[in-house]
Amino acid sequence: DTGVSQDPRHKITKRGQNVTFRCDPISEHNRLYWYRQTLGQGPEFLTYFQNEAQLEKSRLLSDRFSAERPKGSFSTLEIQRTEQGDSAMYLCASSSGQARNQPQHFGDGTRLSIL
Amino acid sequence: AQKITQTQPGMFVQEKEAVTLDCTYDTSDPSYGLFWYKQPSSGEMIFLIYQGSYDQQNATEGRYSLNFQKARKSANLVISASQLGDSAMYFCAMREGGGGADGLTFGKGTHLIIQP
Repeated sequence: DTGVSQDPRHKITKRGQNVTFRCDPISEHNRLYWYRQTLGQGPEFLTYFQNEAQLEKSRLLSDRFSAERPKGSFSTLEIQRTEQGDSAMYLCASSSGQARNQPQHFGDGTRLSIL
Repeated sequence: AQKITQTQPGMFVQEKEAVTLDCTYDTSDPSYGLFWYKQPSSGEMIFLIYQGSYDQQNATEGRYSLNFQKARKSANLVISASQLGDSAMYFCAMREGGGGADGLTFGKGTHLIIQP
């Protein structure tokens, strides 16, 4: 079991550029989540997928953000026209089944810095 | 209103002592789950323990236990016999039932430092 994998670990980019992050969940997990964590705060939920279907989106997910999970395996999160306020750690998590006691297992995150 | 409140921004505890990290929550949903995660300085979020709203007994997992007081809407994490490796940020989170909502709502965390 290799755990949740995220790539890249760090991304530095100029304001206005587009960035894309990738998340590979634990292989048998059908649910995949994206969170954003800023310094000194807990993670904030962005969106989640069950298999390839995007079932929930937070109001934090502006129209500059788009997430996909085309084959129900890995997922990508794209941010277009990045802004200073997008600087954060972007965390991906996955879980199995629908039981409410199933924990979400997190990856190490992608730290985004906007210059 | 905050859905998850962690009132202790930071705590210093002597090694081998027990420590209680506070968490109160706010929900009108009768079905919910409460989770505690540990985040060391390296950044990964590590799941520690879960308590369901209908669970009759307090959850325990090794040195971790949950003091669940449903009427008070509190779910405090107790770490027994603390170790230096317990130094980390600790987050309480809630998952509410119904309506298909599945994302976790996190508190702001408590920074726990274990002193030798």
